[in-house]
Amino acid sequence: DAGITQSPRHKVTETGTPVTLRCHQTENHRYMYWYRQDPGHGLRLIHYSYGVKDTDKGEVSDGYSVSRSKTEDFLLTLESATSSQTSVYFCAISDPLGHTEAFFGQGTRLTVV
Amino acid sequence: KNEVEQSPQNLTAQEGEFITINCSYSVGISALHWLQQHPGGGIVSLFMLSSGKKKHGRLIATINIQEKHSSLHITASHPRDSAVYICAAPRGGQNFVFGPGTRLSVLP
Repeated sequence: DAGITQSPRHKVTETGTPVTLRCHQTENHRYMYWYRQDPGHGLRLIHYSYGVKDTDKGEVSDGYSVSRSKTEDFLLTLESATSSQTSVYFCAISDPLGHTEAFFGQGTRLTVV
Repeated sequence: KNEVEQSPQNLTAQEGEFITINCSYSVGISALHWLQQHPGGGIVSLFMLSSGKKKHGRLIATINIQEKHSSLHITASHPRDSAVYICAAPRGGQNFVFGPGTRLSVLP
């Protein structure tokens, strides 16, 4: 199995508080992605990174920021959590053209109360 | 119209049945991925294919790039196959367009 782990796996936080989710990979993969998964919407891209300090927005990036200071770590931050950000978050590594197998983390279930 | 569509949305089968899940897409791609997600679990890549057919155990995936259609077949289904199956089409720099998923329940 590819080495990609997420932390924490579960988190409950209050509205308005900052939250940071971590994705760590041991595959030395250049491309990393953050998705959220919601009933009725499937998986949607939040942000992605194509190298250290190189990131770009996905289709649902409002309210989220990311950072990548090392190849192996990709952080997702909710600056001020809202109830609409209650979701399951997945990190993934893959070739951007989809020509190689994609690997996903185990997911982080975030609840904003 | 979604760029990637799947059918059926939900499927219930008896153990041992042959199962087919379909995926059609409107984007131009060179490969398609099938993913599996067990209840409350992570997402696992099953297949990546660009032509023809691939087989892994009881799972078979086929694709027709010209017709923009792929199928995932499960032979001799088992309750442990119960999961959501997702097809995903690469979209260049922004990675994948995901289908809505097919929820499969295999009853013993």
